[in-house]
Amino acid sequence: AQSVTQPDIHITVSEGASLELRCNYSYGATPYLFWYVQSPGQGLQLLLKYFSGDTLVQGIKGFEAEFKRSQSSFNLRKPSVHWSDAAEYFCAVGLANAGGTSYGKLTFGQGTILTVHP
Amino acid sequence: DAGVIQSPRHEVTEMGQEVTLRCKPISGHNSLFWYRQTMMRGLELLIYFNNNVPIDDSGMPEDRFSAKMPNASFSTLKIQPSEPRDSAVYFCASSVSAGRGTPGELFFGEGSRLTVL
Repeated sequence: AQSVTQPDIHITVSEGASLELRCNYSYGATPYLFWYVQSPGQGLQLLLKYFSGDTLVQGIKGFEAEFKRSQSSFNLRKPSVHWSDAAEYFCAVGLANAGGTSYGKLTFGQGTILTVHP
Repeated sequence: DAGVIQSPRHEVTEMGQEVTLRCKPISGHNSLFWYRQTMMRGLELLIYFNNNVPIDDSGMPEDRFSAKMPNASFSTLKIQPSEPRDSAVYFCASSVSAGRGTPGELFFGEGSRLTVL
């Protein structure tokens, strides 16, 4: 079965510091990978996605992620964190059903809560 | 354009009562998903529809839960009877799915926070 693991439940960084959030997946085929962000009381918003091609993908708000097939990882990075980045971050893998048809079904990791100190 | 619209935003009810959550997907989107979020279990996919047809309801926890999508612009998630363990935030999301190929981006509503006393 497909699964997504985010090893870090909670990360605290200082404003201006660099950030890396870890994500590992278990999936038999080439995965479709996503990072979403959730601010308190809000729904999830897409930061970036990887389907194929260049393994380094750029997203909104200055985030990027790198797909490493050998490590089954899709870590999220940002060179300099802003206080407004404090939120919960979810990694997700896109699935296809048994017939090979993708309806956009995603499995999410448990999330990583990011706290930013001034 | 309006995003995914969910109602109510907050619902407090007593155990045994019927709860109906509503969702209006983004116009033109043909896939709709219901997720449940709790501290203990994170985000769980309950059911999803494609072109108004339920594709996979294996995530629906019990027969007390049911979901319908009578047309492309409306879906409901019903819990009857409700129990305290159903307390959670329920999210609706929609996307454009072309069938075979890459999945579309999920657009989430702001969620319905349900508290069952």
